[in-house]
Amino acid sequence: EVQLLESGGGLVQPGASLRLSCAASGFTFSNTAMSWVRQAPGKGLEWVSAIDSGGGTDYADSVKGRFTISRDDSKNTLYLQMNSLRVEDTAVFYCAKHGGSIDYWGRGTLVAV
Amino acid sequence: DTQMTQSPSTLSASVGDRVTITCRASQNIYTWLAWYQQKAGKAPKSLIYKASTLQSGVPSRFSGSGSGTEYTLTISSLQPDDSATYYCQQYNSYPWTFGHGTKVEIK
Repeated sequence: EVQLLESGGGLVQPGASLRLSCAASGFTFSNTAMSWVRQAPGKGLEWVSAIDSGGGTDYADSVKGRFTISRDDSKNTLYLQMNSLRVEDTAVFYCAKHGGSIDYWGRGTLVAV
Repeated sequence: DTQMTQSPSTLSASVGDRVTITCRASQNIYTWLAWYQQKAGKAPKSLIYKASTLQSGVPSRFSGSGSGTEYTLTISSLQPDDSATYYCQQYNSYPWTFGHGTKVEIK
């Protein structure tokens, strides 16, 4: 069974940094591309960043230069380092597994700035 | 960036009704389109990818179609459990983009 468990969210001041983690299980993590998707309170879904199995990355313009996605295949864990956080970054952040776009989602972790 | 326009933004229908949601892309996305269902307070659930392929375990009353820039999600016989917000998303190119969502309510 695929499981994605996010952690690391919390309440921070503008300008602060935060690192999100996503512990993955139930599939071959090292062979799988992953994304972070966020949802501001009462709003729709916004793709944030993706990383492929080779470590190649892509970012939304809204976070480029401030957020860094990474992965540790030895720990089956996905990360999102978020620097220079802004009020408009307040959202639930979901970890998502790629498979025909996204096939599995985590439950999310709330970041409040 | 590819803009995704969904319509309607909300719809209200009765159990057993056939429901259709439309998604239009600002450029050709070559059927690289997915649909997701999100219930209140929950994570999204994946329904369809490549415009018309159901994810494993998704009920057959859900179907997707379309090509080029125009796509539809159809629920053939609306059930109470289908009350949710539905999103389309293109993955033809980064940045991936979502529609603004369609809230489906049961009368």
